[in-house]
Amino acid sequence: KNQVEQSPQSLIILEGKNCTLQCNYTVSPFSNLRWYKQDTGRGPVSLTIMTFSENTKSNGRYTATLDADTKQSSLHITASQLSDSASYICVVLNFGNEKLTFGTGTRLTIIP
Amino acid sequence: DTGVSQNPRHKITKRGQNVTFRCDPISEHNRLYWYRQTLGQGPEFLTYFQNEAQLEKSRLLSDRFSAERPKGSFSTLEIQRTEQGDSAMYLCASSFGEGTGGFYEQYFGPGTRLTVT
Repeated sequence: KNQVEQSPQSLIILEGKNCTLQCNYTVSPFSNLRWYKQDTGRGPVSLTIMTFSENTKSNGRYTATLDADTKQSSLHITASQLSDSASYICVVLNFGNEKLTFGTGTRLTIIP
Repeated sequence: DTGVSQNPRHKITKRGQNVTFRCDPISEHNRLYWYRQTLGQGPEFLTYFQNEAQLEKSRLLSDRFSAERPKGSFSTLEIQRTEQGDSAMYLCASSFGEGTGGFYEQYFGPGTRLTVT
């Protein structure tokens, strides 16, 4: 069964600090992995998309890593801001169809 | 605003009633997706269209659910005889793509929050 697991489930950090969110997946065959940011009551917004050949991809203060051998990914947020408070969802696309498998997300709260 | 739009944003209905949601994708996008998201969970795939053709349906889409995209533009999702377990956020996304397994970015709408009482 295709699954995406994320940890931690929730995280609270002080503004300005860094943090790293984890994602493990069992989706096969693998096409690409995406990280989305979802504000409360809103639709998800894409941060990065990575294929199996990409190890690292950055988008401003967000840096995603992917290890296709161990089927693990991480999202590192640098110098956190209050606006980073949201759920961060790891999503994997199956090769051969258009079905996205979503993780349950990490709820990140930045406190001043 | 040229993003994905969904209407209504919120819907409260009594158990047993029928509801219909609408999604307007980004105009040049040929693919449209429906997802369901319950509180504290990630979205779950329901179905997707390429133009007007419904190409894939999840087993989550019971016979009480039906989705259409008659002219390959907007789409509707209807739930008949709603149950309390249908309470969720229903998200629509659109993309432009050909073939499978690509990088086609899916752009999400704000969702319709359904509450069944």
